[in-house]
Amino acid sequence: ELKVEQNPLFLSMQEGKNYTIYCNYSTTSDRLYWYRQDPGKSLESLFVLLSNGAVKQEGRLMASLDTKARLSTLHITAAVHDLSATYFCAPRYAGNEKLTFGTGTRLTIIP
Amino acid sequence: SAVISQKPSRDICQRGTSLTIQCQVDSQVTMMFWYRQQPGQSLTLIATANQGSEATYESGFVIDKFPISRPNLTFSTLTVSNMSPEDSSIYLCSAPRQGNTGELFFGEGSRLTVL
Repeated sequence: ELKVEQNPLFLSMQEGKNYTIYCNYSTTSDRLYWYRQDPGKSLESLFVLLSNGAVKQEGRLMASLDTKARLSTLHITAAVHDLSATYFCAPRYAGNEKLTFGTGTRLTIIP
Repeated sequence: SAVISQKPSRDICQRGTSLTIQCQVDSQVTMMFWYRQQPGQSLTLIATANQGSEATYESGFVIDKFPISRPNLTFSTLTVSNMSPEDSSIYLCSAPRQGNTGELFFGEGSRLTVL
C-alpha cells in the first residue's frame, strides 16, 4: 500500500519564524507536487518537483525533493499570516498518472 | 490557464438518494480523476475516468456506489448512489494540466451533506 506521511500534521507558528514541513513516501517516485488548500476552497498548485535534487522557491516558500531518501520538504521563511492554510504533498509513482496525497499539514500563523 | 467547472458546488441530500456531480474541463484531456475529501481529511482517489473505456476504481470504491461517465474528452460525471451520512464529503474533479509535468489542476469541488 502506498503511504505518504507528512510531519507535522498541525503546526502553529509565530509570524517571522522559520519552519519545515516534511513529506515521506513509501515507494519510488519520479516526481512530487505540493498543493495548498484554504478553508472551504479547492487545491492550488504550489510546486512541481520533477527530479532528484530539485529545488523550487516562490516567495517565502521553498520546496525540495530527495528521491533516494523518499523525502520532500517545504520550508517556510519568515512566516506571515497569509500562509495559513493546509499544505499537501503528492508524489507521483513512476508509470502512473494518478497522485497519492499526503496526510496534510494544517499551518496556522499567529501574530 | 485551464479551468475545471464543477456543479453542484454544494448540496444537502437525503439518505438513500443519489446525486450526480458534473465536471467540465475547458480543454481536451485523456484522463480525469475523481477524489473524495472527507471532513478534515486528505484527498483519496475514487477512480480514474478514461474517455472511451470503463473507469478504473481504487481499492475500497466500487462502480455500483460511484458510477462514472466519460462521454467525451472534456466532460465527466460522478454519481454518489444510495447515499448515507458517511458519504458527506467534498468531491473533487481533476485533470492533468497541459504539458508533461503531470501536475493536476482541480475543480472547486462539490460539498455534499447527507442527512
